Amino acid sequence: GQNIDQPTEMTATEGAIVQINCTYQTSGFNGLFWYQQHAGEAPTFLSYNVLDGLEEKGRFSSFLSRSKGYSYLLLKELQMKDSASYLCAVRDDDYKLSFGAGTTVTVRA
Amino acid sequence: IAGITQAPTSQILAAGRRMTLRCTQDMRHNAMYWYRQDLGLGLRLIHYSNTAGTTGKGEVPDGYSVSRANTDDFPLTLASAVPSQTSVYFCASSEFPGLNTGELFFGEGSRLTVL
Repeated sequence: GQNIDQPTEMTATEGAIVQINCTYQTSGFNGLFWYQQHAGEAPTFLSYNVLDGLEEKGRFSSFLSRSKGYSYLLLKELQMKDSASYLCAVRDDDYKLSFGAGTTVTVRA
Repeated sequence: IAGITQAPTSQILAAGRRMTLRCTQDMRHNAMYWYRQDLGLGLRLIHYSNTAGTTGKGEVPDGYSVSRANTDDFPLTLASAVPSQTSVYFCASSEFPGLNTGELFFGEGSRLTVL
């Protein structure tokens, strides 16, 4: 099975940077995903890492270290619309995706 | 607009009743999934199907059944609903990973309340 841990809540100021950490222990690994979910909506895909290192996509970056079972999502130049839950998910060798409980980020003016 | 359609959007159901949540995708994705989302627990996989004609159990399959008669449809059935099945249910689909990431695309969710 998969054990995926991420903080429950984080608060940051508009324009700031926030880093959401995710640690995982898995029986197999075939990629790590980050999703964004606004309240009352469906999750939407943000980023994907399968090799160690940093993937950058505009204001969002995601990092992976497979040997440490660790990833983070970095949100830069925070905007009010970034207030949402951020879900870390790990894909196993059967291509099933397991999710962490999610981190609720609140951006304050 | 291409995507995943779920129905109903919301339903209140008496305990003991049978209920089928419908899910249809028009992206010709191979794989489809059903998740439930509960506060503090995140998304948990109920059942999945890697291709038409095959299904598999996820993390929390008890009390649920699925079928995959064709590529587009993946209904989820609660044979006899219980209050603990009150949740938001998300259907998702993905291509098989290969040259792309194989990320999941989600439907808008079905909010089910069992009384």
